[in-house]
Amino acid sequence: DSGVTQTPKHLITATGQRVTLRCSPRSGDLSVYWYQQSLDQGLQFLIQYYNGEERAKGNILERFSAQQFPDLHSELNLSSLELGDSALYFCASSVVGGGETQYFGPGTRLLVL
Amino acid sequence: TQLLEQSPQFLSIQEGENLTVYCNSSSVFSSLQWYRQEPGEGPVLLVTVVTGGEVKKLKRLTFQFGDARKDSSLHITAAQPGDTGLYLCAGLNNAGNMLTFGGGTRLMVKP
Repeated sequence: DSGVTQTPKHLITATGQRVTLRCSPRSGDLSVYWYQQSLDQGLQFLIQYYNGEERAKGNILERFSAQQFPDLHSELNLSSLELGDSALYFCASSVVGGGETQYFGPGTRLLVL
Repeated sequence: TQLLEQSPQFLSIQEGENLTVYCNSSSVFSSLQWYRQEPGEGPVLLVTVVTGGEVKKLKRLTFQFGDARKDSSLHITAAQPGDTGLYLCAGLNNAGNMLTFGGGTRLMVKP
């Protein structure tokens, strides 16, 4: 158990819909990262937040957005869903986000039908 | 864009055999990390290598960082069924906030 929690564990939805994935970091960690893992693209960095502020952006689509709240939990919003968005979405957290160990949550498996 | 290529993609071996997984890039990373991921779980960090030429050992696992800090290898000695899983290498950018992952090596060790 990494100490990072993600909900829901599984999500099935239809194309065109919008979903919200939630992540609670390890106690004391200020930085949260979101990753997408798909069969064809592998594990890809989407976005990082540090203490409520966006710190780094990776291959995140414009249809996707994230935020980190004052209690440090984070949400990843996926809208206008397409079949190709079906993937595992992981959240990771670290103390400050400067290269120290990232601890990954168990992931949310999203299936878009 | 920094890319990491892992090879082989799949590896199926018998218990007791040795194996090596490679991770190569044309880019320099500030450090390189190796993760292991089991089904239904997130990746778990095994080791971080920082210095060119660095070698780290974790029981039967030996990790090496290339002199130019562009490539790395993971060698497992006398593999056991418990080593089965997805092994991922990841390079950390200079700002220390972005991991670029390789495609992964799926290892199966048969008893």
